[in-house]
Amino acid sequence: GAVVSQHPSWVICKSGTSVKIECRSLDFQATTMFWYRQFPKQSLMLMATSNEGSKATYEQGVEKDKFLINHASLTLSTLTVTSAHPEDSSFYICSARPAGTSGSYTQYFGPGTRLTVL
Amino acid sequence: GESVGLHLPTLSVQEGDNSIINCAYSNSASDYFIWYKQESGKGPQFIIDIRSNMDKRQGQRVTVLLNKTVKHLSLQIAATQPGDSAVYFCAETRSTSYGKLTFGQGTILTVHP
Repeated sequence: GAVVSQHPSWVICKSGTSVKIECRSLDFQATTMFWYRQFPKQSLMLMATSNEGSKATYEQGVEKDKFLINHASLTLSTLTVTSAHPEDSSFYICSARPAGTSGSYTQYFGPGTRLTVL
Repeated sequence: GESVGLHLPTLSVQEGDNSIINCAYSNSASDYFIWYKQESGKGPQFIIDIRSNMDKRQGQRVTVLLNKTVKHLSLQIAATQPGDSAVYFCAETRSTSYGKLTFGQGTILTVHP
């Protein structure tokens, strides 16, 4: 089946630093990737939609200057948390929608990245 | 936006019992629904989906029921096993949302041997 990877799987950083999280579709091309955030014992909240070759679309309340998203290729999207603070500590999950599936709802999720900001 | 301080509903069952997990969705325009299983520290795993033109769909040991009148979705797991212990989320989307999913609150399922 289709596989999505995330790197790193977990990261600990100091307050004020920036952290980059990668999301890769390993065996398919993805024109669209989604980034979610999940706090402990809560549901997934969509942060932004990442489209290859264009600017990301952010959900209401998500700061685009703080959460920088780049989708430079059909297999890679990155999320950079800039000037991270303890309240940014969370589980970040990406999903990827295969190219050529505009009529389908299929998307595949990555394993998530645990970010802890000290 | 996110809800701060919510605790997920829980369901505890004995191994071999049938489990029913419920979900209320909010958008009457949603036309596609998915159930996901999430184990601790992992991403969501697809279980089963259903389109709005159906009211029931069966998979291996799982059945999804959709009641559009009351905007309710349920997941039935037959002969529940300890390996089914996880958090279960429903998600909804519609054809005009370009694949964006809205996740429900989630339910913690614990299966006791």
